[in-house]
Amino acid sequence: DGGITQSPKYLFRKEGQNVTLSCEQNLNHDAMYWYRQDPGQGLRLIYYSQIVNDFQKGDIAEGYSVSREKKESFPLTVTSAQKNPTAFYLCASSKSRTSGGYEQYFGPGTRLTVT
Amino acid sequence: DQQVKQNSPSLSVQEGRISILNCDYTNSMFDYFLWYKKYPAEGPTFLISISSIKDKNEDGRFTVFLNKSAKHLSLHIVPSQPGDSAVYFCAASGAGTASKLTFGTGTRLQVTL
Repeated sequence: DGGITQSPKYLFRKEGQNVTLSCEQNLNHDAMYWYRQDPGQGLRLIYYSQIVNDFQKGDIAEGYSVSREKKESFPLTVTSAQKNPTAFYLCASSKSRTSGGYEQYFGPGTRLTVT
Repeated sequence: DQQVKQNSPSLSVQEGRISILNCDYTNSMFDYFLWYKKYPAEGPTFLISISSIKDKNEDGRFTVFLNKSAKHLSLHIVPSQPGDSAVYFCAASGAGTASKLTFGTGTRLQVTL
């Protein structure tokens, strides 16, 4: 079955600790994305990557970092510099736009709680 | 600056009737629009999309209408079913090589019996 997996489903951390959220896809998609969702808000783009070893900041990149060493994987690190890290984090992937990719396919999400 | 707006946070519709969800956008460079459905604590699932060169796209019970001059799109669901109860997000993609999407804040649809 092709799809996107995110782990873990729920994550708890103490303030001041960095935490890495996992995202893996086996759809052979070139592009991958990280969003966060807060109550009453839409999905806001944190980082995206159109190709391996390259990524760009989204609208709310401060306090986050990513890497894209493999096509299948796009981990997100929430650093201690992120002021409000508690949120629902969603990973997505798509074909490249030049390949006709518009639809993004989402993983099940990770609920991060920082206390 | 909210480039994609869904001004109705919630909508309640009786089973069997039509649900109409609305979305407005401000960026004239958007050329592709999508609707996603989301259940709590799950990732959004793609529903239907429309290119800016069209004004209507239909897929079963779901139809999306695009009015470019008004920068407005709508999603019609007919007939509405209880399983349609979810949050619906409108999203837009701009011209360029990146497939970035800009999302609205969502409309919670409740289909009642």
